[in-house]
Amino acid sequence: ETGVTQTPRHLVMGMTNKKSLKCEQHLGHNAMYWYKQSAKKPLELMFVYNFKEQTENNSVPSRFSPECPNSSHLFLHLHTLQPEDSALYLCASSLPIGSGGATDTQYFGPGTRLTVL
Amino acid sequence: DAKTTQPNSMESNEEEPVHLPCNHSTISGTDYIHWYRQLPSQGPEYVIHGLTSNVNNRMASLAIAEDRKSSTLILHRATLRDAAVYYCILRDGSNSGYALNFGKGTSLLVTP
Repeated sequence: ETGVTQTPRHLVMGMTNKKSLKCEQHLGHNAMYWYKQSAKKPLELMFVYNFKEQTENNSVPSRFSPECPNSSHLFLHLHTLQPEDSALYLCASSLPIGSGGATDTQYFGPGTRLTVL
Repeated sequence: DAKTTQPNSMESNEEEPVHLPCNHSTISGTDYIHWYRQLPSQGPEYVIHGLTSNVNNRMASLAIAEDRKSSTLILHRATLRDAAVYYCILRDGSNSGYALNFGKGTSLLVTP
């Protein structure tokens, strides 16, 4: 148990559906991240939030829409996805960006396994 | 960030020590060396990090070469639970870079 929870753990959706992934951290952190892990590819950073403000959008298609209502919660809203978007979506949190620099540890949730039909 | 090179896979016997190598020949003076691991069906977890000196914690030890162009993660007694993909990552300490640049890592198989 890392202190970062993600729901749902598994999700199957059609290309026309709208769904949301939820992440919650109980570590008192102020930075939160979304990563994507496709089969046989390295983890890719998608979005970063620091004190609820988005600080990074790593050229992610607009069919992925993040939301950070407070420092403990992070959502990833999904709509009109493609089959190639099937992947493990991981949420992470850390101390505020810049506070510890390169010594910061990121704490990951267990991920949501998404399948797009 | 500078690049790291790791073997694709390694195998170890249970209760034996494991030495996981990482080459980072283009490391800069401000790069920290981090190790994370990802157990099956889980998110990555932090293992250890260091800058110049060797480091020990409850999970592992990190041995850093004197020229810092390579490092080795040491698991002193491998257990079946240590079977995972191990990632060696460099993080620039001269800025507040926050992205963890995961490569392919080393897949460790532990056999009874």
